[in-house]
Amino acid sequence: DADVTQTPRNRITKTGKRIMLECSQTKGHDRMYWYRQDPGLGLRLIYYSFDVKDINKGEISDGYSVSRQAQAKFSLSLESAIPNQTALYFCATSDHSGRPYNEQFFGPGTRLTVL
Amino acid sequence: GQQLNQSPQSMFIQEGEDVSMNCTSSSIFNTWLWYKQDPGEGPVLLIALYKAGELTSNGRLTAQFGITRKDSFLNISASIPSDVGIYFCAGQQLENTGNQFYFGTGTSLTVIP
Repeated sequence: DADVTQTPRNRITKTGKRIMLECSQTKGHDRMYWYRQDPGLGLRLIYYSFDVKDINKGEISDGYSVSRQAQAKFSLSLESAIPNQTALYFCATSDHSGRPYNEQFFGPGTRLTVL
Repeated sequence: GQQLNQSPQSMFIQEGEDVSMNCTSSSIFNTWLWYKQDPGEGPVLLIALYKAGELTSNGRLTAQFGITRKDSFLNISASIPSDVGIYFCAGQQLENTGNQFYFGTGTSLTVIP
């Protein structure tokens, strides 16, 4: 079974609708992240969370909100979807450790289309 | 946000050829990572670099942390069809409060059998 799962994998919605993307992990990691990927722009960080009570804005948080319901669950919401939020969304997790870096493990992605 | 420029944007090569790609930034980074994204999947870490000048290999892949700390390079030797995918660099500045990495724009690699 995958360590980081995302639901749904694909979603088509209309402008103005509220959408929630969900992420679950079984890795036992404390840190979770939401990115969006657009062609030619790479991955950009939307929000990140270091534990259940910690939420931080990333590079492009406008128009998005998140909820860390439990250590293993981190959901991303679009309160009123707009077409330029059409993108591939990735959840990632990492472990707080003493290594020089904390490798991020990515989920399979959610392809969101806003019409 | 930080801008990481990767080049080339895309490559079409024959199986068996070597591949080189690079990532440059206007800012200094303390960690450089290289990821590969297979079609329909999330990125997977290939190589991590921690020190300026460091050269690290992982099988047929070799990556280098540039001396200026503003760039990094990835080489793939003797390419094979399963090397197809998008390769991303990512950099981290320890001055950040978090574990935030900035990702490059990606290099799309196609290997022609």
